[in-house]
Amino acid sequence: AQKITQTQPGMFVQEKEAVTLDCTYDTSDPSYGLFWYKQPSSGEMIFLIYQGSYDQQNATEGRYSLNFQKARKSANLVISASQLGDSAMYFCAMREGRGSTLGRLYFGRGTQLTVWP
Amino acid sequence: NAGVTQTPKFRVLKTGQSMTLLCAQDMNHEYMYWYRQDPGMGLRLIHYSVGEGTTAKGEVPDGYNVSRLKKQNFLLGLESAAPSQTSVYFCASSRGQGRTSIYGYTFGSGTRLTVV
Repeated sequence: AQKITQTQPGMFVQEKEAVTLDCTYDTSDPSYGLFWYKQPSSGEMIFLIYQGSYDQQNATEGRYSLNFQKARKSANLVISASQLGDSAMYFCAMREGRGSTLGRLYFGRGTQLTVWP
Repeated sequence: NAGVTQTPKFRVLKTGQSMTLLCAQDMNHEYMYWYRQDPGMGLRLIHYSVGEGTTAKGEVPDGYNVSRLKKQNFLLGLESAAPSQTSVYFCASSRGQGRTSIYGYTFGSGTRLTVV
């Protein structure tokens, strides 16, 4: 079974609008971390936001927020006030906190976001 | 700038040739990783290392070997390249164990490898 599932291969949003990118995860480890990365066409991986499994509040970083629903095992990324420069591939990733997989980062297949004027 | 440096950035190989990708980090990170990225597949872990002298297999290790002789370097080797190994390769490092909220990852800029 996939550890991280991103069901939206592509998303389109108009500039200045908000957009939600979906991510669900699968783990039995009570301690884990969830990451979102942005990959523009230039190819580098840019860290956006992090949510720990024990964090009480949803993470926020500027225009990025993470809608963390632990019982549903979802960690959706919300981008407010989209900008043309937000057009990129977005990856959700998870790291489990213990055991033989400690340290390994599992990635979803990504969502290609296109922002249009 | 501190970070993760990958060399080379681009390479074209003929089927059957060998090569080594070098990853160097200057952050004193314990853990290092090699991922490959293919269209529609996300990033998949090839091999990783939790410290100098130790390596372990990830999700897609076949056809690759790795070595971590020095803490700051993690080498990925292709002994006999195949067209299926055409991909973008990313190296990453992290501080390792502990509270997962603290230890993030630093990625290199990637190596685009084409095997013809």
